[in-house]
Amino acid sequence: QKEVEQNSGPLSVPEGAIASLNCTYSDRGSQSFFWYRQYSGKSPELIMSIYSNGDKEDGRFTAQLNKASQYVSLLIRDSQPSDSATYLCAESGGGADGLTFGKGTHLIIQP
Amino acid sequence: GAVVSQHPSWVICKSGTSVKIECRSLDFQATTMFWYRQFPKQSLMLMATSNEGSKATYEQGVEKDKFLINHASLTLSTLTVTSAHPEDSSFYICSARDRQRELFFGEGSRLTVL
Repeated sequence: QKEVEQNSGPLSVPEGAIASLNCTYSDRGSQSFFWYRQYSGKSPELIMSIYSNGDKEDGRFTAQLNKASQYVSLLIRDSQPSDSATYLCAESGGGADGLTFGKGTHLIIQP
Repeated sequence: GAVVSQHPSWVICKSGTSVKIECRSLDFQATTMFWYRQFPKQSLMLMATSNEGSKATYEQGVEKDKFLINHASLTLSTLTVTSAHPEDSSFYICSARDRQRELFFGEGSRLTVL
């Protein structure tokens, strides 16, 4: 059975600093990886997707993928209080299957 | 990003009644939609994959006769929780893939069974 592991936190980061979120996955056949942000009581919102090894940058967000180590990370630069949320890592084997989610990391940005 | 709309956003019902939740893709056609359930402080758990024009595929441990899924068109999937009980109280979220195969979520439906 596929597993996606994340440290549940909470991870506390000062405002303006870099927040680093990590995720590991068990299935070597996984093709696609996603980071979602979920505010309390709300539905997840897609932040980043990454499909190949290396870094992918989008604004303040950088996703990093290392398939050899089965490791995905998300960096948030210049952290803002509004970034405080639970960040869910997810993977997909491709095709028409749904995603497998980690339990999420609770991030707190301290003003 | 793509828009997925879900309705109702919250519902309270008595034990033993049935509740229907609708999921619509507003700006794209979705041959496949997914239904997730999330309990407090837990991650999203995939319940079933809804396929347009055919039967849904349920994950292990999910009762297909209790959670009825209908995907009658390319933009609409419905989840009906039949004979709901308090343990069915949860946050139900639908999702659909757009043409870039990215997964977008509806707003979620919070079900409370009294």
